[in-house]
Amino acid sequence: EVQLVESGGGLIQPGGSLRLSCAASGFTVSSNYMSWVRQAPGKGLEWVSVIYSGGSTYYADSVKGRFTISRDNSKNTLYLQMNSLRAEDTAVYYCARDRISRDHEWFDPWGQGTLVTVSS
Amino acid sequence: SSELTQDPAVSVALGQTVRITCQGDSLRSYYASWYQQKPGQAPVLVIYGKNNRPSGIPDRFSGSSSGNTASLTITGAQAEDEADYYCNSRDSSGNHHVVFGGGTKLTVL
Repeated sequence: EVQLVESGGGLIQPGGSLRLSCAASGFTVSSNYMSWVRQAPGKGLEWVSVIYSGGSTYYADSVKGRFTISRDNSKNTLYLQMNSLRAEDTAVYYCARDRISRDHEWFDPWGQGTLVTVSS
Repeated sequence: SSELTQDPAVSVALGQTVRITCQGDSLRSYYASWYQQKPGQAPVLVIYGKNNRPSGIPDRFSGSSSGNTASLTITGAQAEDEADYYCNSRDSSGNHHVVFGGGTKLTVL
């Protein structure tokens, strides 16, 4: 079964750092594109970052320079290192397998999400 | 960067047909994909590409596209279809980003 399980969320003070993990099973992280998508409380989905199978990484303007996406091939795990956290980063963070073809891009499956709360 | 626009809320009578739309310039270049999200749950892919349904998604869900507008149609809506629906597409700016619509809350009456 293809599955993603996130962990690492919690309560963190503004300016702090947190690392999220996303353990995959049923497929190989390094052979796929993988993304992080977040959802602020009561709000819609916002794409955060992607890592391509070749290792290239891209970020939403709102997190560029503060967040870093990476993976550990030996652990089949995706990470999101979040630094200089702000109140507006408060959200449920989902990891998802990112599928791309010539004319469309879709996410499947998604993890269950992990809540990050940035507050003093 | 691109933006995708969805109606905030739509309602449909039980058993009737409803269309949820998504508009944006990126849809002139890329097909939309659609996700269903129920309260407290992660999004679930229901349609991707021109009109593809993942395994396990009922055939009452279908997708279409014209110009800068993509549509998700539910033919014969069921009570369990009440949820938030989001569209997404690749950003057509060439920046390797992804854009999501703001979501549509579907109420089945």
